[in-house]
Amino acid sequence: QKEVEQDPGPLSVPEGAIVSLNCTYSNSAFQYFMWYRQYSRKGPELLMYTYSSGNKEDGRFTAQVDKSSKYISLFIRDSQPSDSATYLCAMIRMDSSYKLIFGSGTRLLVRP
Amino acid sequence: DTAVSQTPKYLVTQMGNDKSIKCEQNLGHDTMYWYKQDSKKFLKIMFSYNNKELIINETVPNRFSPKSPDKAHLNLHINSLELGDSAVYFCASSQDKGQGAPSYGYTFGSGTRLTVV
Repeated sequence: QKEVEQDPGPLSVPEGAIVSLNCTYSNSAFQYFMWYRQYSRKGPELLMYTYSSGNKEDGRFTAQVDKSSKYISLFIRDSQPSDSATYLCAMIRMDSSYKLIFGSGTRLLVRP
Repeated sequence: DTAVSQTPKYLVTQMGNDKSIKCEQNLGHDTMYWYKQDSKKFLKIMFSYNNKELIINETVPNRFSPKSPDKAHLNLHINSLELGDSAVYFCASSQDKGQGAPSYGYTFGSGTRLTVV
């Protein structure tokens, strides 16, 4: 079983829809949580970075963390075709390794 | 100005060859990393250096050897390349808080697409 689980998709939605992307994790040592967006043939680009349980908003993006359930989400409001990409959740284990561990990524397609 | 730059962008080589990938960051970050992304897009950490010191060394064949001449550079040398080494290799950097946790997220380069034939 992987430490971080993420549905690979693909997820196809019409333009303007609200998108919900999720990850679960199994180890309580994960404390810092991130969402990255990766366009085809490009490097991952940081979208959101959060530590606490709760919500963090940035424009059309909202990151949600529920440490008690070991569940994180990314919501995209008013989705645009330019949001079409692979979204990767990532988290840092706060033990001796401090490694950034990625989910496998969810491919999102926003149809015009 | 590119924050994390890798060269080359594409690398096609024959089995058994030795090759190097270079990475440079101009962000002043303390820590640099190499990640490997396979054909299923899964990103896995390989190595991490903090101020030129190796701090993470995952279960990677010893044909892979990282070298950090200074904290702004982290190179990856691969000996005796095999077909299974074909992947996209990403360099990244982060600014630590001093306890291993970054003060912000990691910044990634645009990747080096390695194809071994």
